[in-house]
Amino acid sequence: EVQLVESGGGLVQPGGSLRLSCEASGFTFNSHWMNWVRQTPGKGLERVATIKQDGSEQYYVDSVKGRFTISRDNAKNSLYLQMNSLRAEDTAVYYCVRVADSWAFDCWGQGTLVTVSS
Amino acid sequence: DVQMTQSPSSLSASVGDRVTIICRASQSISNYLNWYQQKSGKAPVLLIYTASSLQSGVPSRFSGRGSGTEFSLTITSLQPEDFATYYCHQSHSRPPTFGQGTKVEIK
Repeated sequence: EVQLVESGGGLVQPGGSLRLSCEASGFTFNSHWMNWVRQTPGKGLERVATIKQDGSEQYYVDSVKGRFTISRDNAKNSLYLQMNSLRAEDTAVYYCVRVADSWAFDCWGQGTLVTVSS
Repeated sequence: DVQMTQSPSSLSASVGDRVTIICRASQSISNYLNWYQQKSGKAPVLLIYTASSLQSGVPSRFSGRGSGTEFSLTITSLQPEDFATYYCHQSHSRPPTFGQGTKVEIK
């Protein structure tokens, strides 16, 4: 069974840092691009960051460039999102998402809540 | 960025109804259009990819069509488990973008 399990969310003060992790199982992790997608009631679904199979390419939404870093460890079947200089507007549920060959997002984790508040 | 606009934002329907949701792109995205269903408190689930291909395990009452800038998702004979929010998503251009969602509620 294909599975993505996120961890690392929580409450953090503005300006703080948090590292999200995603453990993948049930498929060949190093064969897929991977994403972090976040969801807020106000802005809906937003792709935050994307990483290529070998980690050689990363893409970010403009609002997190210079603050967030996506990375992966294919030996551990794991995806990460390092989030620095967090802002209130980063408050969201963050999903780890697999990219299919069709470029659709075909498998989503259960999500982890990040709350940025003093 | 490609803007995705869904209509309607919400609709009320009865079990057995035929429902159609529209998604329009601000520029041509060929057929790189995907549809997701999200139930309250759960992650989105892929229903349709590349405009009209049914994801494995998805019931055949779901169908999609369109190309270029206008797309639709149709649910024939709405079932109780289909009451949810539906999102379109373009994967043609970076950054990938989503529609704002259409909430399907019980009439």
